[in-house]
Formats: sequence, C-alpha cells, structure tokens
Amino acid sequence: NAGVTQTPKFQVLKTGQSMTLQCAQDMNHEYMSWYRQDPGMGLRLIHYSVGAGITDQGEVPNGYNVSRSTTEDFPLRLLSAAPSQTSVYFCASSVNRGPGELFFGEGSRLTVL
Amino acid sequence: GDSVTQMEGPVTLSEEAFLTINCTYTATGYPSLFWYVQYPGEGLQLLLKATKADDKGSNKGFEATYRKETTSFHLEKGSVQVSDSAVYFCALSDKGAQKLVFGQGTRLTINP
Repeated sequence: NAGVTQTPKFQVLKTGQSMTLQCAQDMNHEYMSWYRQDPGMGLRLIHYSVGAGITDQGEVPNGYNVSRSTTEDFPLRLLSAAPSQTSVYFCASSVNRGPGELFFGEGSRLTVL
Repeated sequence: GDSVTQMEGPVTLSEEAFLTINCTYTATGYPSLFWYVQYPGEGLQLLLKATKADDKGSNKGFEATYRKETTSFHLEKGSVQVSDSAVYFCALSDKGAQKLVFGQGTRLTINP
C-alpha cells in the first residue's frame, strides 16, 4: 500500500525557474493539501482541495499554483522560484472533506539558489 | 485566529525518563486536537488525537488529555526509549475549518 507518494525527493532550482512537485495518493481520499515546513515555524498550509475540481488557498499561497483534475493527483507548481521558497514540502491527504487525520508523504526538499 | 504553542526544544532525556511536552492552543470554537510525530527523513504521522474536552488520546505509551479549562493538550510518556527520538507536533482543527494548524514542533532526543 503506497499511501501518499511525492516526487521528486530533492530538487535544486535557480531563481526564476519553474517546476512541479508531484503528489499522488491511492487511498481514494477526497481531501488533499500541501504544506511547507521551515525551521521554527512548524508546517504552514499552502493550498488544499476537498475534491476533484475544487481547490482553495491556505495560509501561504503566493508563488504557488495547484490543480485537482483527478481524485488521486494534486500537483504543486512553482511559477518563478525564489530563494524564499527553499523549504521542505509535504503533501497530505485525508479521507473526509476536512483535514481530520492527515496522511503525509515523505516530503520534497527544494533548494532555490 | 487559531494558533498552537509548544514548548521550546530541543529536549534531551535519558532512556526510561518521564516525558512531558507542553502544548497550549487558541481557538474560536471547539477544536479537535492532535499530536503528530516526524521520525528522521520521514513525513509526519498521527500519534494520537482527542475530539472533545476531557478526552484522552493514547498510542504507543504516549498520552494526552484535552483540557478545555486550561486550553492545553500536553503529551506525556512514562518511560521513553531511544526509538522515541523524533520531532513532535501539536495541532488543532477547528470544526468547519479546512486546515490543521500546527505548532512549531519540539525535537526530542533520547540518549541510551
């Protein structure tokens, strides 16, 4: 049982480049979300989705886009990377249409030079 | 808005010591409360939860009681092991909200 799968695990970008972090879950969860983890700041919500075709902004959405065309996939797009986006990114899903108990991926460490 | 405050880390203990990690919260409604644990190189995983006042969540020897009067959800374990070394996050989810609000995390190291 794969759970929540994130790719890539590590990525280095130059300022201004764009990229997509992939997230897939095989648990048929309706709720999916993206968090970023920074030292001393816990996890902060970037975007979330309560079902296919529905997305909304979280606490720190600027510089990121998401889409939810299927139940399984929830990619996070960085449009023009900035050093402030250097972080560890976690995708998480939940069976209900609310966060409840979240199941996390293993994380994607992004460095923007 | 909603917020969670955890005790500052890092916390270092010897094996078999008693553990307490403090967590207090601010919420407008009646939230559900969670403790998540993050082992090195891994994502977070749910450790325990409580959904209403006076509920006690427990798992793997860890316990936490939802105290509405003190707005607290402190994590405790009677005898820690080296394998408990990890980062622990307290979190809340207010009813109707679409997100979990996390504390800053507390790094715990257990020495043999």
